[in-house]
Amino acid sequence: GIQVEQSPPDLILQEGANSTLRCNFSDSVNNLQWFHQNPWGQLINLFYIPSGTKQNGRLSATTVATERYSLLYISSSQTTDSGVYFCAVGEAGGGADGLTFGKGTHLIIQP
Amino acid sequence: DAEITQSPRHKITETGRQVTLACHQTWNHNNMFWYRQDLGHGLRLIHYSYGVHDTNKGEVSDGYSVSRSNTEDLPLTLESAASSQTSVYFCASSARGFTDTQYFGPGTRLTVL
Repeated sequence: GIQVEQSPPDLILQEGANSTLRCNFSDSVNNLQWFHQNPWGQLINLFYIPSGTKQNGRLSATTVATERYSLLYISSSQTTDSGVYFCAVGEAGGGADGLTFGKGTHLIIQP
Repeated sequence: DAEITQSPRHKITETGRQVTLACHQTWNHNNMFWYRQDLGHGLRLIHYSYGVHDTNKGEVSDGYSVSRSNTEDLPLTLESAASSQTSVYFCASSARGFTDTQYFGPGTRLTVL
């Protein structure tokens, strides 16, 4: 099945800093989502982005499907951005249904 | 507002017992999914359904079953709970299959003693 690797695994930043989270995947995808898992465990959709670029406030994401990676940008970090960020992909061409998740990036924003 | 709910939110049970976790969505989505989340493994797909009376096995389906009798509900049953099934379980739904945005419920934390 498709492999999903996220980097870095852990990231500690000061409030106000910018960050870039990366997601590499091993095969063609027809679904790619970024999630934020908050300290209460809730998975919050950030972006549905199998290709292209999207922005939502301080967050933006870019997926280059031909090169099999996606980037999540967080600007002017706030303490509420802390949590785990997951990239999840759906494999194109008849692969396993549902989403395959990476192991996440654990982000800590310090005041 | 449409939503997806799970119950119970926390459950403690004993090895060998049958356990059913409920998932209910008001999005009117055809597609529903069950995942489990474990440290070191991320989230993994257990079962999914593309509509009423349709069920399919995911990556880690052994020991679990689902049934879909209506659009809104996809209960997950552990036939004989094992300690290895201690995990956090998430239900999700989408409108147009696995190429569409999936929305997740709040999760159920299950402990099998």
